[in-house]
Amino acid sequence: SQQGEEDPQALSIQEGENATMNCSYKTSINNLQWYRQNSGRGLVHLILIRSNEREKHSGRLRVTLDTSKKSSSLLITASRAADTASYFCAWGYNDMRFGAGTRLTVKP
Amino acid sequence: EADIYQTPRYLVIGTGKKITLECSQTMGHDKMYWYQQDPGMELHLIHYSYGVNSTEKGDLSSESTVSRIRTEHFPLTLESARPSHTSQYLCASSRNRGSYEQYFGPGTRLTVT
Repeated sequence: SQQGEEDPQALSIQEGENATMNCSYKTSINNLQWYRQNSGRGLVHLILIRSNEREKHSGRLRVTLDTSKKSSSLLITASRAADTASYFCAWGYNDMRFGAGTRLTVKP
Repeated sequence: EADIYQTPRYLVIGTGKKITLECSQTMGHDKMYWYQQDPGMELHLIHYSYGVNSTEKGDLSSESTVSRIRTEHFPLTLESARPSHTSQYLCASSRNRGSYEQYFGPGTRLTVT
């Protein structure tokens, strides 16, 4: 992608396991966001981490940010079947850019 | 659920037709956006707006136009639909200040035959 990369492209795990997704971006940022998209639907905002933060938690979500490497990771702990979705990182201010997404499948 | 709506949800149309995809939000957000997304792929920014009478081009803007006459309404028009326009179109909005969180509509799935 010309905008950024996410890896893995797809991830399949069992319920209860942790899922880690990585995002790399190409520009300077004020903040980085993570979104979830269920199949065929719009995106839902999960969490925002500011450029001066290194780690942020929200429920079962943990996000890290390394601005020196232009990378971020999203960890979902104790995954559930309902977490099955695509996850996108996004950055920018007026012209938001999105990564290519990680398709997560959580098997019951 | 966010208060942002898109119509139609699904549209099948022939090549060469002019179409307008509707997007409305009731949150009073100044910023609005249109994205194109092929199944399972990344989102591409088409157009965005800072507010009334403001429109800006994104990466895929050359074959479409937008208008922002009212805060709550941000329609996207394809003057001449082509099979390459077959995709999902997502509308989003955000507050102008503070958090940059975007709220997305459910999308319009367009098929051009």
